[in-house]
Amino acid sequence: DADVTQTPRNRITKTGKRIMLECSQTKGHDRMYWYRQDPGLGLRLIYYSFDVKDINKGEISDGYSVSRQAQAKFSLSLESAIPNQTALYFCATKGDRSTDTQYFGPGTRLTVL
Amino acid sequence: AQSVTQLDSQVPVFEEAPVELRCNYSSSVSVYLFWYVQYPNQGLQLLLKYLSGSTLVKGINGFEAEFNKSQTSFHLRKPSVHISDTAEYFCAAGIYGQNFVFGPGTRLSVLP
Repeated sequence: DADVTQTPRNRITKTGKRIMLECSQTKGHDRMYWYRQDPGLGLRLIYYSFDVKDINKGEISDGYSVSRQAQAKFSLSLESAIPNQTALYFCATKGDRSTDTQYFGPGTRLTVL
Repeated sequence: AQSVTQLDSQVPVFEEAPVELRCNYSSSVSVYLFWYVQYPNQGLQLLLKYLSGSTLVKGINGFEAEFNKSQTSFHLRKPSVHISDTAEYFCAAGIYGQNFVFGPGTRLSVLP
């Protein structure tokens, strides 16, 4: 079984709809991250969480919100989706040390029409 | 602030030829460096990482990278590529107390 799972894997929605992307991990890590990937821009950090009570904005948090329901679960919401939020979204987890590797989920491809 | 540059957005190479994917970073403090690979329709997985010690780091699938502090580089190499190496490759830097910074990625296309 995968250590980091994301649901759904693909989603097509319309402008203005509320969307939630979910992430679960079995690695026991406290740190979790949400990124979006756009061609030529690499990965940009949306939000990150160092534990259930510690949530922080990343470089592109506008238009997004998150919820850390438990150590293992970290959800990303788009309250009112817009077309330029069409992208590939990745969840990742990491141990507490700076030298620890980040582990990524398989991604969610979101299309906003 | 730290940054990671990958100068080549796309690298086409013929099968069994050598390849080098370039990565440069900017940081005034010590960094930890990582290379990730993203195969089509998949998430990112770790290829290799440099934390300290030997500057030549070996990873999975025959890849290796060399840390060069004076040139602030961490280039990825493979002596002979396969069709299955076609993927996007990301360099990333980590600094104590800060989040990872990823480069924009290099798309490696291995041609038959």
